[in-house]
Amino acid sequence: QSVLTQPPSASGTPGQRVTISCSGSSSNIGTNAVNWYQQLPGTAPKLLIYTNNQRPSGVPDRISGSKSGTSASLAISGLQSEDEADYYCAVWDDSLKGWVFGGGTKLTVL
Amino acid sequence: QITLKESGPTLVKPTQTLTLTCTFSGFSLRTIGVGVDWIRQPPGKALEWLALIYWDDDKRYSPSLKSRLTVTKDTSKNQVVLRMTNMDPVDTATYYCAHVNWNQVVIDYWGQGTLVTVSS
Repeated sequence: QSVLTQPPSASGTPGQRVTISCSGSSSNIGTNAVNWYQQLPGTAPKLLIYTNNQRPSGVPDRISGSKSGTSASLAISGLQSEDEADYYCAVWDDSLKGWVFGGGTKLTVL
Repeated sequence: QITLKESGPTLVKPTQTLTLTCTFSGFSLRTIGVGVDWIRQPPGKALEWLALIYWDDDKRYSPSLKSRLTVTKDTSKNQVVLRMTNMDPVDTATYYCAHVNWNQVVIDYWGQGTLVTVSS
C-alpha cells in the first residue's frame, strides 16, 4: 500500500489530453514539492516534472504538473504513442523522513 | 553529465546479506546539497524508497526496513554502498541508485538498475 494514491490506469487516444492524479497528506504533498517520473518498459524512471510544475530540459511543454493542497496532477496533452508508460509521483515526507512514491499509473494510448 | 551505475550479485540466498555498490560520475558527494538514494522495484510493482545518504554523511532509512539497511559512502572512489541483511524472496527486485538534488528536493538522475533475485 503506497503512501501516495494514484489511479492504477489511465488511457486516451492520440491527440487527447490525459490527467493523472496523486493524493497525499499534510506531511508530504501538503508541505513539500511534488516530482513526477515516467518509466518506459524495462527502463529506469526518468524525471518528468519537478517542484510541482517545472520541466527539466528536454521535456516537451505538452507535459505539465500542478499541485493544490494535498493533491497533485500530471497532465499530458497532444497524447502520442510514445507516452505509453508507467507514471509515478514522488515527494519527501516530513513525518517518515524519507521519500514516498505513488503506486504508479499505467497510461495506455488507444 | 551525471551517471550512476549499480553493481553487485544478481542472485542471493535467503538469510544472506546483499551488498550493492553505486559508482557515479559527474558530481561529488562532497558538494553541499547532494545525496544518493537507493530505491527498489519488485517485478511488476511500484517504486519503494530504501535509503538516502547526504553530502555531510547524514543518513535516512525507510522506517519499515531500517533494521536491515546500512548505507555508506567512499567519496574518494565516488561510490555509495548499500547493505541489506537477512534477504528474503520478497526482496527480489530491481535496485536503483539515484542522485538527489536536495536544493530542489528532487531525485533527478537514476542508474540503470540491477535485478537481484533471492532464491535458494
